[in-house]
Amino acid sequence: EPEVTQTPSHQVTQMGQEVILRCVPISNHLYFYWYRQILGQKVEFLVSFYNNEISEKSEIFDDQFSVERPDGSNFTLKIRSTKLEDSAMYFCASKRQGGTEKLFFGSGTQLSVL
Amino acid sequence: ILNVEQSPQSLHVQEGDSTNFTCSFPSSNFYALHWYRWETAKSPEALFVMTLNGDEKKKGRISATLNTKEGYSYLYIKGSQPEDSATYLCASPTGTASKLTFGTGTRLQVTL
Repeated sequence: EPEVTQTPSHQVTQMGQEVILRCVPISNHLYFYWYRQILGQKVEFLVSFYNNEISEKSEIFDDQFSVERPDGSNFTLKIRSTKLEDSAMYFCASKRQGGTEKLFFGSGTQLSVL
Repeated sequence: ILNVEQSPQSLHVQEGDSTNFTCSFPSSNFYALHWYRWETAKSPEALFVMTLNGDEKKKGRISATLNTKEGYSYLYIKGSQPEDSATYLCASPTGTASKLTFGTGTRLQVTL
């Protein structure tokens, strides 16, 4: 069965460094998302992406964050200057259509900012 | 209810027990209710997406009901097995269809 793949599975970085989290969504999906879960907290929405542009973003998704779909298969999340509070499990998700379709999630990237 | 809430936070049952947990969500401007199962070190996997009041869905030993008027959904597991051990997340779009708001999850542990 097709799946969403994320790399790396773990990323350790120093505060202030840039990180890029990579995702390959399912090939015929059109809607792409990033969510994250800080340890002990709820899974929270970061950004949605459709038709090569951001369709919605949360308050968390400030100027330090950006997303790209550079080549039609990869979907990346960049954090320009990481902070300690960016430490979290970051999930990529995709779905084929809009509306009430279920999301397909990757297995996540655990980001640790030291 | 302004947020998506789940209870209990964790649950420990024996193999063969049946169990259920609750998801509460905003009943105004309801759009859909999602249930996901998240096993450790794996991807969260969709169980159900429910949209109609009174809807019941079933997948093997797992079933779910939906009450959109009062804003709650129940997830039932019949005859729990160790492989059912996971965190069960519910989520509802709040604001727009593209943005899911998740509950804190119910962590289920099934022992022999």
